[in-house]
Order: sequence, then structure tokens, then C-alpha cells
Amino acid sequence: DAGVTQSPTHLIKTRGQQVTLRCSPKSGHDTVSWYQQALGQGPQFIFQYYEEEERQRGNFPDRFSGHQFPNYSSELNVNALLLGDSALYLCASSLLTGGYSYGYTFGSGTRLTVV
Amino acid sequence: KQEVTQIPAALSVPEGENLVLNCSFTDSAIYNLQWFRQDPGKGLTSLLLIQSSQREQTSGRLNASLDKSSGRSTLYIAASQPGDSATYLCALITNAGKSTFGDGTTLTVKP
Repeated sequence: DAGVTQSPTHLIKTRGQQVTLRCSPKSGHDTVSWYQQALGQGPQFIFQYYEEEERQRGNFPDRFSGHQFPNYSSELNVNALLLGDSALYLCASSLLTGGYSYGYTFGSGTRLTVV
Repeated sequence: KQEVTQIPAALSVPEGENLVLNCSFTDSAIYNLQWFRQDPGKGLTSLLLIQSSQREQTSGRLNASLDKSSGRSTLYIAASQPGDSATYLCALITNAGKSTFGDGTTLTVKP
């Protein structure tokens, strides 16, 4: 049973560039959430996608955008990268069908370094 | 706005000791509370999930409790082992799907 898969595992980008991170949810899950985790801190909620729509959003600027595809996989896009965007980006999937959540399963993350 | 605090930030214990990690939160309108462990540079591994209507969950040497009235959850680890060394995070999840994490407690279990 495949868990949550994220790609790439590591990425180095230059300030001002754009980046796309990808996530495949656990089999049977229909909801994908994205998080940013700075060193020594807990994950910060970016947004959640369900039925290809952004369901909830945290306090992140519009430079952060996302998409969910019909197969439930998701992308996180960050435009105009800043040095402060360097972090571990985590994707989590869950099952929300019927309004009930069985909790989150996380991927191993993408380590983004902006230079 | 939900705020989640985990105290202590770091904890070091000798192998075999029983220990308690604390998680406090300000908004009791939660849907689920979930405890995770995170090894350095890795993703999060789910340990226990407590639904809003439950008071505790157990898995092996782990027991998590939830007291919504006092805004607290505890994670009890029995007979700690060096392999338990990791950062432990609690997350509060609302009905609307928003989640808030604490900054974690970094546990070191010394042989």
C-alpha cells in the first residue's frame, strides 16, 4: 500500500524563480494538505485541496498556489521565490468523504533551498 | 486563532524511564487531535489520533489523552528506548480542515 509520495526530494532554486512541488496521496485518500516547515519549528499550514478546490488556506501570500487533479494528486507552486521560502515542504493526505476525517498521513517532504 | 504550545521544548531521559509530553491549545472547537513523531530531516509519522468525542487512545507503549475543557493533551511513553529519540508534534484539526501544529518536543533517550 503506497503511502504519500512527494517529488522531488531536494531542490535548489535562485531568488525570483518559480518552483512546482508534487504530491501523490495515499491510496483511498481524497484530500491533500500542504505545509511549510522551517528548521526547529512545527509545520505551518499552507492550504488544503478537496474535490479539486482549495478548501482552506493558512496565512500565506498569493505567491503560494496549488492545484488538485482528478486523480487526487496535487501540486504546490511558489512564484517569485524569496530566501525565506527555504524550508521543508510537506504534503499530507486524508480521507474526508462524508465529512469524516481519519487523520493525516504525511510524505517525506521536499527540501527547498533558495539561494 | 488556535495556538498550540508544547512544553518542554527538549527532554533528555535515561533508557527505561516513563515520560509525559504535553500539548496545550487555546480553542477547544477541534475535530481531531493527532500526535506525530519526526526524525531529523524526515516527514511525520502518525502515532495516535484522538477524535473530539474520545478521551484517549493507546498503541503499544504509547497512550494519548485529550481534555478539551482544559485545552490539554498528553502523550505518555512507557519504558522509553533509544529508538524513541525524535521530535514529537501534536496537531489540532478543526471541522473545516484547518490544522495547527505545535513546535514539538525533542526527546533524547540515553542508553
